[in-house]
Amino acid sequence: QKEVEQDPGPLSVPEGAIVSLNCTYSNSAFQYFMWYRQYSRKGPELLMYTYSSGNKEDGRFTAQVDKSSKYISLFIRDSQPSDSATYLCAMSGYSGAGSYQLTFGKGTKLSVIP
Amino acid sequence: DTGVSQDPRHKITKRGQNVTFRCDPISEHNRLYWYRQTLGQGPEFLTYFQNEAQLEKSRLLSDRFSAERPKGSFSTLEIQRTEQGDSAMYLCASSLLVRLGDRARDTQYFGPGTRLTVL
Repeated sequence: QKEVEQDPGPLSVPEGAIVSLNCTYSNSAFQYFMWYRQYSRKGPELLMYTYSSGNKEDGRFTAQVDKSSKYISLFIRDSQPSDSATYLCAMSGYSGAGSYQLTFGKGTKLSVIP
Repeated sequence: DTGVSQDPRHKITKRGQNVTFRCDPISEHNRLYWYRQTLGQGPEFLTYFQNEAQLEKSRLLSDRFSAERPKGSFSTLEIQRTEQGDSAMYLCASSLLVRLGDRARDTQYFGPGTRLTVL
């Protein structure tokens, strides 16, 4: 079992729909939780960064973390064709050697159809 | 553009050749990470530098791989005797650690990556 599980999709939704993406994890040492967006053949771009359990909202994006269930989610409201990309969940904790290396899920490929 | 830059963007090489990639981090960032991403997978951690010191290496980083960060600025990743299994996107990320009470925020900003194809 991988440390971070994420359904790779693909996920196809009509424009304006609410999108729900999620990841589960097994490592209790993870303290920081992120969502990155990656367009084809580009580097990942940070969307959301959260520390503790609860919700965090930024514009059309809401990130949820439930550490007791080891489950994180990203919701996208009023989805737009420009949201079409691969969404990667990522997690980290202090490694002891100084790094906060990220452990990523496989990514979910999202298509928003006009 | 003050983001992370990587060079080259694409590299095609024959099996057995050596290749070197360069990463220029955001100028005030003292922390630098290398990751590798294969098709359909998320990025996987390779190695970490704090300033010029390489402090952590993944078991993915075989002895054919070497990374340096002279003077704590740009970094290079060299792969010797490339194999077809080395074909991947190599991503560099930089960060500046911010301490917030008992927490630390290490926001990693990624470059565009170098796509390596080994024939």
